[in-house]
Amino acid sequence: DADVTQTPRNRITKTGKRIMLECSQTKGHDRMYWYRQDPGLGLRLIYYSFDVKDINKGEISDGYSVSRQAQAKFSLSLESAIPNQTALYFCATSEPSVHNEQFFGPGTRLTVL
Amino acid sequence: QKEVEQDPGPLSVPEGAIVSLNCTYSNSAFQYFMWYRQYSRKGPELLMYTYSSGNKEDGRFTAQVDKSSKYISLFIRDSQPSDSATYLCAMIYNFNKFYFGSGTKLNVKP
Repeated sequence: DADVTQTPRNRITKTGKRIMLECSQTKGHDRMYWYRQDPGLGLRLIYYSFDVKDINKGEISDGYSVSRQAQAKFSLSLESAIPNQTALYFCATSEPSVHNEQFFGPGTRLTVL
Repeated sequence: QKEVEQDPGPLSVPEGAIVSLNCTYSNSAFQYFMWYRQYSRKGPELLMYTYSSGNKEDGRFTAQVDKSSKYISLFIRDSQPSDSATYLCAMIYNFNKFYFGSGTKLNVKP
């Protein structure tokens, strides 16, 4: 079984709709992250959480919100989706370490029409 | 200026070639340097990490860091078609300030 799972794997939606992407992990890690990946721009950090009570904005948090429901669950919401939020979204986890190795989920491909 | 710069490629080489992938960075505070490999339709996975300037080897892979030039490299010897993937460099300082490069897509032709 995968250690980091993301649902849905693919989603097509329309402009203005509210969308939630979910991430679950069985690795027992406290730290969780949401990234988006765009061609030529690489991975950009949206939000991160170092424990259940800790939520931090990343590089590109505008238009996004998150919820850390439990140690194992971290959800990303797009309150009102727009076409330039079309991207591949990854959830990742890590435990505290000097190099902060991150373990990524399989990704969610989101298309906003 | 981006914190981390990486040539997006694509880089196409014949099987058996030596591959050199590179990143430059601007912040001298970076302490740890990582290389992640991402296969198509998968999430990235850590390939190697290193701390100090110099070389670190792991099988066919060598990670090199030159802090004085703010330049890191990943060398792949005897490249195989299974090495075809996107390679992302990543860097961290203060244990929680981390940045990824944009990734270089590598294609190793049989």
